[in-house]
Amino acid sequence: SQKIEQNSEALNIQEGKTATLTCNYTNYSPAYLQWYRQDPGRGPVFLLLIRENEKEKRKERLKVTFDTTLKQSLFHITASQPADSATYLCALDSGYALNFGKGTSLLVTP
Amino acid sequence: DTGVSQNPRHKITKRGQNVTFRCDPISEHNRLYWYRQTLGQGPEFLTYFQNEAQLEKSRLLSDRFSAERPKGSFSTLEIQRTEQGDSAMYLCASSRVGPKQFFGPGTRLTVL
Repeated sequence: SQKIEQNSEALNIQEGKTATLTCNYTNYSPAYLQWYRQDPGRGPVFLLLIRENEKEKRKERLKVTFDTTLKQSLFHITASQPADSATYLCALDSGYALNFGKGTSLLVTP
Repeated sequence: DTGVSQNPRHKITKRGQNVTFRCDPISEHNRLYWYRQTLGQGPEFLTYFQNEAQLEKSRLLSDRFSAERPKGSFSTLEIQRTEQGDSAMYLCASSRVGPKQFFGPGTRLTVL
């Protein structure tokens, strides 16, 4: 069956450091992979999309890599700030729907 | 820029009652999705509309659940004979062309 796995434990880092979140998947051949941010009590917000033929994508302090051989995506936030504290969700397409991982909770402390 | 709106934001109901949620997508978006999210989990797909046509339904959508999108604008999700296991956040999303989806704030349902 299709599976998307994200770091189950919360990630605590100090302000200014780089946060790295992992998304692994099995039994998918995705055309693209997306990352969303979710704050408590709110809906997910789209951050980045990376296509299967792209190895890396950047947007301001965010960087995503996509390795279709390893079936893994890494999501980096450089120079992290307390405002980056949230849950980050990885999503793969399945027909018209998105299948999400459980998310990784990130806490950035001053 | 008006985003996706959902009403109500919170709903508390007793087991066995029927509830209905509404979603207003971004106006030019022809695709609309419903997801359900429980604590500690990612959103799970329930159903998808393109314009007024319901094109995809998850196995999670039991016969107690029904969704409509009359005239391809707003959508409603109704749950009949609610059960405690239906307690969750119900999220609506919309999109135009392409995979990126815009989510609403969700309706949190508590079934007592």
